[in-house]
This record gives sequence, C-alpha cells and structure tokens, in this order.
Amino acid sequence: KNQVEQSPQSLIILEGKNCTLQCNYTVSPFSNLRWYKQDTGRGPVSLTIMTFSENTKSNGRYTATLDADTKQSSLHITASQLSDSASYICVVSTIGGNKLTFGTGTQLKVEL
Amino acid sequence: DTGVSQNPRHKITKRGQNVTFRCDPISEHNRLYWYRQTLGQGPEFLTYFQNEAQLEKSRLLSDRFSAERPKGSFSTLEIQRTEQGDSAMYLCASSLFQGASTDTQYFGPGTRLTVL
Repeated sequence: KNQVEQSPQSLIILEGKNCTLQCNYTVSPFSNLRWYKQDTGRGPVSLTIMTFSENTKSNGRYTATLDADTKQSSLHITASQLSDSASYICVVSTIGGNKLTFGTGTQLKVEL
Repeated sequence: DTGVSQNPRHKITKRGQNVTFRCDPISEHNRLYWYRQTLGQGPEFLTYFQNEAQLEKSRLLSDRFSAERPKGSFSTLEIQRTEQGDSAMYLCASSLFQGASTDTQYFGPGTRLTVL
C-alpha cells in the first residue's frame, strides 16, 4: 500500500529560527515528490516538485531534499516568518499514475 | 489566489439532502481533480477528468457521489442522500497535463461541507 508519513506531527518555533520537516514514503513506482503549504481553511499551494534524479530544490526560503534510495525527503525553512504558520504536506506521485498520495502534514506554528 | 475557484465555500445541510459543488479550473488546464480532506488529514483522491472524460474514480467515491465535467471546463460534484460522514472539505485542483507526471496541480480554496 502506498503511504506517506510525516514528522513531526506539529512544531512550534520562534520567528527567525530555522526548521526541518521530514517525509518518508513507500510509494512505488516513484515518479516525483512535492511539498505543499496549506493555510487554515485554504487549498494547498505547491512549493517544490522533485523527480527521481533531483536531490535538492529551492523556492525562496524553502529548500527540499530528496533521497530516492532511502525514500526520504525533508523540507528546510530558513529564517521563519509568522506567515510560515501552516500545514506542510508531502505528496508523492507514481509513474504513470495520476493520483497523488498525501501525507497527513506537519502543522507548523511560528511565534514571536 | 491560484486561479481555481470553488462554490460555495461553505455548505451546511441536513442528513439525507442532496448537495452540489462547483469548480472552475484555470481556463487552459485540461485536467481537473476532486479530493476530500477531513480535519487533521491530508487530501484523499476522489476522481479526475482529462477534458470532459472522467478517467479514474477512487473506491471512496460511493454510488451517492457523482462528478461531471460536461464541456471540459467547469466541473460539478454531487452528493446524494448526504450522511454525517460526508462532512469534510472538498478540494478541486486543475493542471495542464502535457505528458509528464510533474504537472503542477493548482488547488482551489475548497468547499467545506457540514452535514447535520
């Protein structure tokens, strides 16, 4: 069964600090991995997409890494801002598949 | 604002009633997806269209659920004889599929359904 697991489930950090969110997946055959940001009451917004051959991808203060051998990904947020408070969801897609398998997300709260 | 709109944003209904949601994708996008998201969970795939053709349906989509995309543009999702377990956020996403599986799906704001 294709699964995506994320940790931690929730995280509270102070503004300006960095943090790293983790994602482990058992989706096969793997095609690509995406990180989405979802604000409360809104739809998810894509941050990064990485294919099998990509190890890292950045989008501003967000940097995603992918280790396709260990089936792990991380999302690193640098110099956090209050507006980073949201749920961060790891999503994996299979080759030839059109369904995305979503993790349950990491709820991040950035405080003053 | 991703350019995908959904209406209504909120719907409260009584058990047993029928409800219909609408999704307007980004105009040039050929694929349209429906997802359901319950509190504290990630979205779950329900179904998707390429143009007007419904290509895949999840087992989550019971007989009470039906989706259409008659002209390959907007889509509707109807739930008949709603049950309390149908209470969730219903998300629509669209993408421009050109052969690669890395097409970015742009999500709408969702319709939050509450069944009393």
